[in-house]
Amino acid sequence: EADIYQTPRYLVIGTGKKITLECSQTMGHDKMYWYQQDPGMELHLIHYSYGVNSTEKGDLSSESTVSRIRTEHFPLTLESARPSHTSQYLCASSGFTMRAFFGQGTRLTVV
Amino acid sequence: DQQVKQNSPSLSVQEGRISILNCDYTNSMFDYFLWYKKYPAEGPTFLISISSIKDKNEDGRFTVFLNKSAKHLSLHIVPSQPGDSAVYFCAASRSGGYNKLIFGAGTRLAVHP
Repeated sequence: EADIYQTPRYLVIGTGKKITLECSQTMGHDKMYWYQQDPGMELHLIHYSYGVNSTEKGDLSSESTVSRIRTEHFPLTLESARPSHTSQYLCASSGFTMRAFFGQGTRLTVV
Repeated sequence: DQQVKQNSPSLSVQEGRISILNCDYTNSMFDYFLWYKKYPAEGPTFLISISSIKDKNEDGRFTVFLNKSAKHLSLHIVPSQPGDSAVYFCAASRSGGYNKLIFGAGTRLAVHP
């Protein structure tokens, strides 16, 4: 249905490592988002972007950073992963409507 | 401060019966509401939405009702099918802004034969 892709799907990594979660969309959407979700909990907005070179922090504080150098690409980086970063990370994009399209998510485990 | 609340973490329904999932919100500025369905290890997929100028929107087996005075919306699925078993998230947004969706905690629906 939607052309938004996240890699990797699953990642297990050691404490202190730097990681980048990739997100790309081919729909030409200006707006892109990163949500974080723990089991049984809400999806929390951690970053969003309204276009190239525009990034804002979301409602949930996160130690991660994002960049938006190209319209289609919105990667999320953790400079030093910790066990508290273990979660599912969901990338989404939207165009003129309020409907957001989600990628399949990255399940991150930091050991 | 949870602006969108889904107070039932789970719901079990027999196949063929109606499933009713509820959602409450606190922010009166929200004027657009969406329901998403999520399977394990996948991203949410859009199901149905409703604008605050309406009180009902229907799409096949799915109907969303909005009660603005009570700040409450519900999703009705009829008849329920085993393939409907998933987690359902309610989301709310303000129009004219930047489309930030605020999600509830989800309700896990199990449809059994």
